[in-house]
Amino acid sequence: EVVLTQSPGTLSLSPGERATLSCRASQTVTDSLAWYQQKPGQAPRLLIHDASNRATGIPARFSGSGSGADFTLTISSLEPEDFAIYYCQQYYTRPLTFGGGTKVEI
Amino acid sequence: EVQLVESGGDLVQPGGSLRLSCAASGFIFTNFAMSWVRQAPGKGLEWVSSINAGAGSPHLADSVKGRFTISRDNSRDTVFLQMNSLRGEDTAIYYCAQALSTRGYNLYWGQGTLVTVSS
Repeated sequence: EVVLTQSPGTLSLSPGERATLSCRASQTVTDSLAWYQQKPGQAPRLLIHDASNRATGIPARFSGSGSGADFTLTISSLEPEDFAIYYCQQYYTRPLTFGGGTKVEI
Repeated sequence: EVQLVESGGDLVQPGGSLRLSCAASGFIFTNFAMSWVRQAPGKGLEWVSSINAGAGSPHLADSVKGRFTISRDNSRDTVFLQMNSLRGEDTAIYYCAQALSTRGYNLYWGQGTLVTVSS
């Protein structure tokens, strides 16, 4: 099973600042990695797929990079609605696995 | 607009059974695989099961293998999760999600249905 480790666990930032979230895989997942955003009481929402492709309707301030085993989600300038928990997921091999999440808080 | 509406969540005793449903609309159901992902209270996301568009190739997480079954009715645009021999650790919100394949990311998610296993 591929283990995904997200860091940091919590990121404390202010609106307008840049957020950099990390996701590290225990083995290569090539570019089969997605990022999701989840707000309290809501379902997750797809942000990025295939490591760097924004999903439909996702603002350009969200970008993904990386391949192999090291990935990054960057939010270039935080908006108030971006404070949430972010999860990475690999779909290179079964079982599909998620990281433990990074909470971005004000 | 893609809509996924889960139902069937309830309070059930350990060892009991439950059947979750997910009604899909707003897209061509037979073009997509479907998945179930769960989230225990205050915890992260865990993939549970996936089924391909043609209702074949079901996949299950080891934690539920032998107890849960995924199926779909393409005539009703609905996917199901039959859960037997339920345990306390199955307590979670269960989300239904759309995917391009059984080994793919989830494009859209439902709002989830809560399953509580407790005596």
